[in-house]
Amino acid sequence: GQQLNQSPQSMFIQEGEDVSMNCTSSSIFNTWLWYKQDPGEGPVLLIALYKAGELTSNGRLTAQFGITRKDSFLNISASIPSDVGIYFCAGLNYGGSQGNLIFGKGTKLSVKP
Amino acid sequence: EPEVTQTPSHQVTQMGQEVILRCVPISNHLYFYWYRQILGQKVEFLVSFYNNEISEKSEIFDDQFSVERPDGSNFTLKIRSTKLEDSAMYFCASSRVNHGYTFGSGTRLTVV
Repeated sequence: GQQLNQSPQSMFIQEGEDVSMNCTSSSIFNTWLWYKQDPGEGPVLLIALYKAGELTSNGRLTAQFGITRKDSFLNISASIPSDVGIYFCAGLNYGGSQGNLIFGKGTKLSVKP
Repeated sequence: EPEVTQTPSHQVTQMGQEVILRCVPISNHLYFYWYRQILGQKVEFLVSFYNNEISEKSEIFDDQFSVERPDGSNFTLKIRSTKLEDSAMYFCASSRVNHGYTFGSGTRLTVV
């Protein structure tokens, strides 16, 4: 089945630093989504990308849908302690049955104050 | 902000027992899903449901699993005879057409 490679697996950064993480796939998706998960909670949608080449921001977060439709990155600028959590990319191909999300393995972000 | 509600938040059950996990999707959403996350691992697709029937399921979703939308608001996942390896967080999600999914907070299922 389709697999997503998400990197890095974990990051330890200082508050105020910028963060970058990415996802790649061997097959194309027509939608890329980025989620954040706090411990014991469900994934919360951060950014949705629907078009190849699309660059979308949500506050300090910026994500891009790669031109090849096989990759996406997420940047967080000026990190703060509450950015701590696990970030998941997810790919989706909408079809007649709406499709299902394929998740990456996550990037665990730790922020030192 | 509308949300997906899941109950219970934590369920402990004995191996071999049946469990029903409950979800109330967002009211104007048409597509409903169950996902599973074993501790420390990625979120995995179980099943999608549209127009009162299963539209897609993964190989994890075997004969022990079933879903139901018993009324206009609830969406349930039943595991008929739980196994130790069914211990995981189970997330319900719902979506409109061609939009990102909204996930619930999950039910932590512990099989002992």
